[in-house]
Amino acid sequence: GENVEQHPSTLSVQEGDSAVIKCTYSDSASNYFPWYKQELGKRPQLIIDIRSNVGEKKDQRIAVTLNKTAKHFSLHITETQPEDSAVYFCAASVESGGSNYKLTFGKGTLLTVNP
Amino acid sequence: DSGVTQTPKHLITATGQRVTLRCSPRSGDLSVYWYQQSLDQGLQFLIQYYNGEERAKGNILERFSAQQFPDLHSELNLSSLELGDSALYFCASSRSGLPYPYGELFFGEGSRLTVL
Repeated sequence: GENVEQHPSTLSVQEGDSAVIKCTYSDSASNYFPWYKQELGKRPQLIIDIRSNVGEKKDQRIAVTLNKTAKHFSLHITETQPEDSAVYFCAASVESGGSNYKLTFGKGTLLTVNP
Repeated sequence: DSGVTQTPKHLITATGQRVTLRCSPRSGDLSVYWYQQSLDQGLQFLIQYYNGEERAKGNILERFSAQQFPDLHSELNLSSLELGDSALYFCASSRSGLPYPYGELFFGEGSRLTVL
């Protein structure tokens, strides 16, 4: 099955700096890659996603890039703010028929933004 | 508020016991997913149901079982509980059973299980 590796496990940055979280996946058939943010004591929430027919996607201060050849995708957060502090999870899924949707998550990155 | 309701929020029980976790998906969502979250393993996919039928299975132990009822709510049954089963169990729902175009998972607040 799919295996998603995520690095680093913890990341500490100063407010205003950029943060980058990297993930690799094992199944070359995977074609949907979402990122979820989980604040302390809260539920995970989708922040951005990308499909394999797109190399990069941006939404204000966050962006995701995908390298299908290397089976690698990354989350970029610019101008970080204290409210960006949370655990970020990458995930991968194969888009197949039959309403079969298995989303495999990485182990998460704890991002701390220091004021 | 995601619209996904999980009960109970907290549960403390003893080894060897059986518990049932309940999930009501968002209105209109046909697919329900169960995930186990522990500190060292992150979010582990357990099982997916779509419109009452099991559609995908992950690392779900044989001691665990789930079902989705005609009204689309779901239950996760955990039996012969062990200390290692202590975790936060999340239910999530989505509009369809596919990642696109409605692939966003809406998570509930979770049920925290403590096995003593």
